Amino acid sequence: SYELTQPPSVSVSPGQTARITCSGDALPKQYAYWYQQKPGQAPVLVIYKDSERPSGIPERFSGSSSGTTVTLTISGVQAEDEADYYCQSADSSGASVVFGGGTKLTVL
Amino acid sequence: QVQLVQSGAEVKKPGASVKVSCKASGYTFTSYDINWVRQATGQGLEWMGWMNPNSGNTGYAQKFQGRVTMTRNTSISTAYMELSSLRSEDTAVYYCARKDIEGAFDIWGQGTMVTVSS
Repeated sequence: SYELTQPPSVSVSPGQTARITCSGDALPKQYAYWYQQKPGQAPVLVIYKDSERPSGIPERFSGSSSGTTVTLTISGVQAEDEADYYCQSADSSGASVVFGGGTKLTVL
Repeated sequence: QVQLVQSGAEVKKPGASVKVSCKASGYTFTSYDINWVRQATGQGLEWMGWMNPNSGNTGYAQKFQGRVTMTRNTSISTAYMELSSLRSEDTAVYYCARKDIEGAFDIWGQGTMVTVSS
């Protein structure tokens, strides 16, 4: 079955830039979406269609795509950004939704 | 405001079934697909399937084929997910999520904890 691969963890100091990658063979064909999840809460959409930011999401969140890898970038990381981040996309047929394994962002 | 409100926590025995509800408000229920996603404690998100509230059409992840049924009652703007033949590995928080026109899961329910234990 189709998989999306994320690093298990990323650590940055406040004010630095965090980059979280997500790799999958179908990413050149299918859009990627990113969700932030804090403990005990439902996920929140932070990026859609690879690089679009929903209203209400701070400008420091951005997304990009290159080949089989998409990247979530958080510029000027703040303590409140500490959370788990999940990428989501679809298989090449578009029939099945897939989530990456998640990346725990730690703000040092 | 736009929201999805799910039913409360459930405790079930192995082999039983569970039915979780997801009530939509603040938008036209039949205009957006509802997806179901689960998350075991300390684990990642796992997609289970989708339902079109207008047509009732569904699509299930292969892993859950034959065990999951997604339905709706449009008169009360509520979607349902029923999972049968429960086993301990099904213990998880179950979320419903609205899929918007951009393909994103833009609105999520608060989650329903389902515990399977003898």
